[in-house]
Parts: sequence; structure tokens; C-alpha cells
Amino acid sequence: DAKTTQPTSMDCAEGRAANLPCNHSTISGNEYVYWYRQIHSQGPQYIIHGLKNNETNEMASLIITEDRKSSTLILPHATLRDTAVYYCIVLYNNNDMRFGAGTRLTVKP
Amino acid sequence: GAGVSQTPSNKVTEKGKYVELRCDPISGHTALYWYRQSLGQGPEFLIYFQGTGAADDSGLPNDRFFAVRPEGSVSTLKIQRTERGDSAVYLCASSQTAGLAPYNEQFFGPGTRLTVL
Repeated sequence: DAKTTQPTSMDCAEGRAANLPCNHSTISGNEYVYWYRQIHSQGPQYIIHGLKNNETNEMASLIITEDRKSSTLILPHATLRDTAVYYCIVLYNNNDMRFGAGTRLTVKP
Repeated sequence: GAGVSQTPSNKVTEKGKYVELRCDPISGHTALYWYRQSLGQGPEFLIYFQGTGAADDSGLPNDRFFAVRPEGSVSTLKIQRTERGDSAVYLCASSQTAGLAPYNEQFFGPGTRLTVL
């Protein structure tokens, strides 16, 4: 059973913020929210993860709702190189990583 | 340092043949994972190793698929009697160890594209 729900695709203008939503209404208290992305013809790449608090790193920000049933990945200034499939995953152990279909983000000039 | 490498990058074979796909993890990573990715879908878990042993092989689709990691480093995914439905990109990933999520992100290789004619 899918643990997360993401839109199939999204577009974003270059230089604007890209906000990618994810629903994980059945997340349990000790499960983390992870985001990976996969650029065409490459393996997935780790972006960010969080448990309860919002997180930020050099790639993105992760906003997790207070009830933890949904989250949003934010790319603050999207570039053409951010065009990729973005996967939202919930897991406790990293050996239990199961990908869904993800969101195909297209950044347009 | 070097990332995860996979060879070959592309493999074309005929139905019924045997193939081996190789993965070289990041040095020092004890956990190694295999995934299969069909066109338009996310990666599908196959098997993972902690050290030399297969800790979870629940994702292997049938007994034609087998993987080994004899010395706890390089791993080989073996597919017997290949079928056209086995055509996919086979991804390998490694992490420092397997276990509690926040300390062990997975690093992926570029994959091997297998085509069964």
C-alpha cells in the first residue's frame, strides 16, 4: 500500500519557488519524511529529511504540518537543472525505503 | 571520493540468457541495496545486504533472480533465463549501514539498463 500521495506532475517558472506537496496521512510517530529526486538517466539523489520540525539545507526546505499528515518540499529559486522526478517517502529504517511514482517537476524558462 | 558505480551501463541480451549486473558501493558502506525501475515508475525494492548477508530479499520477483555479496563489498545481481519483462533499469545503492533512518541516507549509482530481446 502506498504510504504517500503526490501529484503526478507540476510546472514551475525558472527563478520562482517550486512547492511540491505530499500527503502521508497514515504516518506513524517514529517515521521520517524523506525526499529524493531523480534527474533523467541518473539514480535518485537524496535531498532532505525531517521528523517534526521544518528543515532547511543548501538544496531545499521541508515544511511538515503540525499533525505530520502532509509536507511540502520547497525549492526556493528553481533552475532548469531542477527538472526531475521528486519522490516523497516515509520510513523508520532506511532499509525500508519504498518509492512511489513521484512528482515530475518541469522548470520552464 | 568515488560514488556508487555499476557495470555495465547497458546490457542487451536475448530471452532465455543469463546475465550478471555488478555494483561497487562506496568504500566502507556496509549496507547495499538493489532496485529495479521500469519506465515511468519509481524504483522498486528488490533486496538489501548488511555486510555479506541478504537481510531482506522480499522484493525479488521470483527464483530466477539472485544476488550475492561474498566479501561484503561488491555485489552481483544475477538473472537466469531472462524474460522480456525483465527489461528495466537496475539501480544499486549503498549506505553507511542499515537501520535508523536519519543517519543512513542511500547513495545511488547510475544504474544498468537491461534490455531483453
